[in-house]
Amino acid sequence: AQSVTQLGSHVSVSEGALVLLRCNYSSSVPPYLFWYVQYPNQGLQLLLKYTSAATLVKGINGFEAEFKKSETSFHLTKPSAHMSDAAEYFCAVSDGSGGGSYIPTFGRGTSLIVHP
Amino acid sequence: ETGVTQSPTHLIKTRGQQVTLRCSSQSGHNTVSWYQQALGQGPQFIFQYYREEENGRGNFPPRFSGLQFPNYSSELNVNALELDDSALYLCASSYLTGDNSPLHFGNGTRLTVT
Repeated sequence: AQSVTQLGSHVSVSEGALVLLRCNYSSSVPPYLFWYVQYPNQGLQLLLKYTSAATLVKGINGFEAEFKKSETSFHLTKPSAHMSDAAEYFCAVSDGSGGGSYIPTFGRGTSLIVHP
Repeated sequence: ETGVTQSPTHLIKTRGQQVTLRCSSQSGHNTVSWYQQALGQGPQFIFQYYREEENGRGNFPPRFSGLQFPNYSSELNVNALELDDSALYLCASSYLTGDNSPLHFGNGTRLTVT
């Protein structure tokens, strides 16, 4: 069975500071991992995905995430936060354990707050 | 490239009523998934349709049902609405099932049950 834990429902940073959003997963097989972003009153938009190629994955808007199998983690980072990064971020895992279909399971989300 | 569109954007229903939500897939996509997102929570998987057949189902009761049409658009139907059904309902399309194709989401339908 697959599951995702996002540590911290809210993360607050100053503009220009490092952003670190944590995600740990549970999977019985090598998983596919995703980060999505949700702006107010909108659907989710894909930031990046890990598909067993490079362990460091670069996404849109300057975000990147590193897959660490030994830690079962897939934390999202950005060197310098912008005001426009304020949004809800969701980590998701899919490993085909749902009856053979790669249907993602989402975490509860982390709200990123950026202060001027 | 046309994205995923959902209608209506907002809906208010009374407990016990029935509701139908609609979704048009992104062009070229043949798989549609529906998710329920309660306030402050992550999306919860309801079901997925691939080529007009249900391809997977989450932990939702049978009063949640769906359809996918030949043009890959989809409907989510909920009967006997309960207060806890109040949520944002998200439709997502993708090209294939059984792989790592990312989901492309619509902006959702906000359902309020009173």
